[in-house]
Amino acid sequence: QKEVEQDPGPLSVPEGAIVSLNCTYSNSAFQYFMWYRQYSRKGPELLMYTYSSGNKEDGRFTAQVDKSSKYISLFIRDSQPSDSATYLCAMSAYGATNKLIFGTGTLLAVQP
Amino acid sequence: GAVVSQHPSWVICKSGTSVKIECRSLDFQATTMFWYRQFPKQSLMLMATSNEGSKATYEQGVEKDKFLINHASLTLSTLTVTSAHPEDSSFYICSAHREGTYEQYFGPGTRLTVT
Repeated sequence: QKEVEQDPGPLSVPEGAIVSLNCTYSNSAFQYFMWYRQYSRKGPELLMYTYSSGNKEDGRFTAQVDKSSKYISLFIRDSQPSDSATYLCAMSAYGATNKLIFGTGTLLAVQP
Repeated sequence: GAVVSQHPSWVICKSGTSVKIECRSLDFQATTMFWYRQFPKQSLMLMATSNEGSKATYEQGVEKDKFLINHASLTLSTLTVTSAHPEDSSFYICSAHREGTYEQYFGPGTRLTVT
């Protein structure tokens, strides 16, 4: 079993839809949770960072962490074609000074 | 802020030669940098963690004599792929930890093709 599981998609939605992206994990030591966006042949770009359980909102993006269920989510409101990319969840037990464990990424396509 | 660059962005080399990839934090100091490898449609896999002024820590299964990492300054880390073979062809991405934050910032990646 992988430490982090993420549905690879692809996920196709119409412009303006609410997108829900999810990851599950098995290591209860993870405390730091991140979402990255990666365009084709580019490096990942940090979108959201959350410590421990709870919600965090930034513009059209909301990150949720449920440590009791070992489940994290990223919601994108009013999705735009420019949101089309691969979304990677990443986790760490000790923060950014230590290794990040990535999910395989979900490929999102927002149709105009 | 928090920009990380990589050079080159794309390189083709012949089997048996060595290739050096540079990773620079442009507007912040990074005592810790990371090197990842990504195969097509797969996730990033950590190869090694490099700390300025000390030896890199390699992940299990990564050959330290093949992937030489040097972190000579607070803004520069290099990865040298020695005696490259076609199976080393991949997308290599570095990241840097920004002091005072909990975040890693990633470079744009280097695509290596070994013929």
